This record gives sequence, C-alpha cells and structure tokens, in this order.
Amino acid sequence: EVQLVESGGGLVQPGGSLRLSCAASGFTFSSYAMSWVRQAPGKGLEWVSAISGSGDSTYYADSVKGRFTISRDNSKNTLYLQMNSLRAEDTAVYYCAKYSSGWTSDFFDYWGQGTLVTVSS
Amino acid sequence: EIVLTQSPGTLSLSLGERATLSCRASESVSSSYLAWYQQKSGQAPRLLIYGASSRATGIPDRFSGSGSGTDFTLTISRLEPEDFAVYYCQQYGSFFGGGTKVEIK
Repeated sequence: EVQLVESGGGLVQPGGSLRLSCAASGFTFSSYAMSWVRQAPGKGLEWVSAISGSGDSTYYADSVKGRFTISRDNSKNTLYLQMNSLRAEDTAVYYCAKYSSGWTSDFFDYWGQGTLVTVSS
Repeated sequence: EIVLTQSPGTLSLSLGERATLSCRASESVSSSYLAWYQQKSGQAPRLLIYGASSRATGIPDRFSGSGSGTDFTLTISRLEPEDFAVYYCQQYGSFFGGGTKVEIK
C-alpha cells in the first residue's frame, strides 16, 4: 500500500524558514517523480515544485522560485521542501504527491494528507 | 503556460441527478494529458480520471471523463451522497483549474 506522510509544518514568522518532509512507502521511491502541491485556506490547489526520480531535475512555480528548494533522499525514501524567506501568502496546507511515472509531466496517483504551514507574526 | 478554466464555480444538484463539469484550456492539451481529482472537505485530493477519460483504480463507473484539445468534461451520472465535493482538472505535471464545487441542493 502506497503511503505518503508529511511532517514539518507549523507556525513561522515572515522571513523565516521551514523544512517539510514526506516519508514514502509501498513503492520503489527512486523510480517515481514527486511533487509538492499547496492549498491556501479556502482556495484551490497550486502546484509548487517537482523533482525527478533521480533528483537530477527540479522544477518550481514562479511564486516560489529562488525561495524554495525541493530535494529527495532515495536511500531514506524521503522527499523534502526547504522553504526560505517565507511570506504570509505561503500559508497553506502542503501536500506531497507521487507522479504515476518517473516523469514530472504525468498525473498524480497518490497524495499525502498534508501538513499545515502558517506564516504569521 | 496553459490556463485551465473550470465552470461552473458551484453546481447545486440533488441526489440522483446528473452532474456535468467543464474544464476549458487556453491552449490545446497534448495527447489528452488531462486529469480530474476529487477533494472532500478536510481531505487530500484523490485521482478520479486520467488521460481525459480513463477511470483510476476503484473509481465507480458513474464517473466518466471526455473531451480533447481544449474542452474537457467530467460527468457524474447519478449523484450519490459521497460525491458532494470539489473537483479539479489538471494538465499533467503541474497547473490545476480553479475547481468546481458540487453541493447538495
């Protein structure tokens, strides 16, 4: 059974940093591209970032480019999102999502339950 | 960047009625690389449809997807209580539409 479990969310001040983790199990982690998708309170889904199975290729939404860094540790079956220079508009539930293949141009077949990040003073 | 516009924003229907949700792309979506997701209140999204018309594992056959190019449709043939939720379309890989909320009339 595929499981994706996010952690690391919480309350942080504007300008601060936070690192999210997503522990994956039930599939060959290194064979699949992974992504972070967020949802601000009461709003729709926003794709944030993606990474290839090997970790060699990464992609970012313009809204987070230069501030967020996606990475993965295939030996630990874990996906990360390092978030720096956080702003109030980054407040959201952050979901870890698995692509259905090794390509970041595919659909998401599994999602985690999400972790809430609140940016506020 | 392809922009996906979903309509209507909210659909108010009764149990047993047919729901028709639209997703229009600003440019042609290649090879029907379009997916639909369902999100119930307080839950993570769930894959419903991929490849514009293929149902994901475990999805009931009352859900169907159709369309190509720039116009795509998600149809729920007869609404069940568990179908009241928000539905999102997505071009493979990244951008999502704004969502359609299906609510009980």
